[in-house]
Amino acid sequence: QVQFVQSGAEVKKPGASVKVSCKPSGNTFISYAFHWVRQAPGQGLEWLGWINAGNGNTRYSQKFQGRVAITRDTSARTAYMELSGLRSEDTAVYYCARDQRLRGVITFDLWGQGTLVTVSS
Amino acid sequence: DIQMTQSPSSLSASVGDRVTITCRASQSISNYLNWYQQKPGKAPNLLIYAASNLQSGVPSRFSGSGSGTDFTLTIYSLQPEDFATYYCQQSYNAPMYTFGQGTKLDIK
Repeated sequence: QVQFVQSGAEVKKPGASVKVSCKPSGNTFISYAFHWVRQAPGQGLEWLGWINAGNGNTRYSQKFQGRVAITRDTSARTAYMELSGLRSEDTAVYYCARDQRLRGVITFDLWGQGTLVTVSS
Repeated sequence: DIQMTQSPSSLSASVGDRVTITCRASQSISNYLNWYQQKPGKAPNLLIYAASNLQSGVPSRFSGSGSGTDFTLTIYSLQPEDFATYYCQQSYNAPMYTFGQGTKLDIK
């Protein structure tokens, strides 16, 4: 069973940037597309953006446009989510998830374990 | 953006009960609706896709229905491991995916 392994917890100051990584186990990478979703403490799920690992195409939530960048390194078989201009409201667990089309509907069928990003002065 | 509204926001039930959670979309999304279960400290887990299809490995006591704007998740005969938070998600307006606010199911 494929697993998505994310980088460890981060503590950042307001105004800084954070970069979270997501690496699938196994050798398959470029056939994947990855979503990034976050969850603030005690809150619901919020979609940030998506990357096609094969061609590098990305799409972002309008809410985060200009502040988020999702990239991938095919040689390292790793996807990244970088969020800049951090503020306290960005404190959350950040998840990567696999894009999988089932019966024609996009689903997030496999998830990383999550990375806690804390923004505090 | 398509808004997803779940009801109730929280729910108390007992082992063996049948429970129903509702999700309403702000516009028609056909069957582009998924359900996820999330336990404390864990990532969400896909339960139901395309409104009514059970994800592999998910127990058959979970069932989804609906199309258009109104959807339901039903859990028949609640088990102790089912107490969790449930989210609906639309993927009609891809790639601008949105989730419901969640329904927390706890033990009565």
